[in-house]
Amino acid sequence: AQSVSQHNHHVILSEAASLELGCNYSYGGTVNLFWYVQYPGQHLQLLLKYFSGDPLVKGIKGFEAEFIKSKFSFNLRKPSVQWSDTAEYFCAVAGGDYKLSFGAGTTVTVRA
Amino acid sequence: GAVVSQHPSRVICKSGTSVKIECRSLDFQATTMFWYRQFPKQSLMLMATSNEGSKATYEQGVEKDKFLINHASLTLSTLTVTSAHPEDSSFYICSGSLGNNEQFFGPGTRLTVL
Repeated sequence: AQSVSQHNHHVILSEAASLELGCNYSYGGTVNLFWYVQYPGQHLQLLLKYFSGDPLVKGIKGFEAEFIKSKFSFNLRKPSVQWSDTAEYFCAVAGGDYKLSFGAGTTVTVRA
Repeated sequence: GAVVSQHPSRVICKSGTSVKIECRSLDFQATTMFWYRQFPKQSLMLMATSNEGSKATYEQGVEKDKFLINHASLTLSTLTVTSAHPEDSSFYICSGSLGNNEQFFGPGTRLTVL
């Protein structure tokens, strides 16, 4: 079974600051990797995903993530955050059975 | 596209009663649907996986007689919490998959058992 670890529980930053959220996973086989976002009062939305190919993945709203296989990592980045990026962010991993394992989530608070 | 709805969004019930939660894929046919549970300030935990027309597969530690799942069609799955108790109070989220390893999530159902 796979497991996912997110390094930060709560991140507070100012608008225009850069954001990086860490995600490490443990799994012996081929994985598919995801970042989801949950805005206050809303459902989970897919930010980006990695299945294969270019390890640098670009998603919606200016987010990107880099898959580093040797480090079992899939960190999420955004060069300049906005107040509207305040949300809960979840890293998730799926193996061949398509079942998602989620990290504990990181709460991001962006101050205007 | 790929919208999933859940009904109800909130439900409050008395201990010992049963509650049914519906999950519908509105604009696609979900070959597989998943049910998750999310405790406050915690992550989503997969409860079960269901495929249309077959029995659900439950994760370890999830009581199948407690959480009844029916996947009657490619657009509808239901979760029934039987004889609910206060410890069953949680946020229940479903998702639908097209079978390409991408899931689309519903808005969740907040269950409170008094």
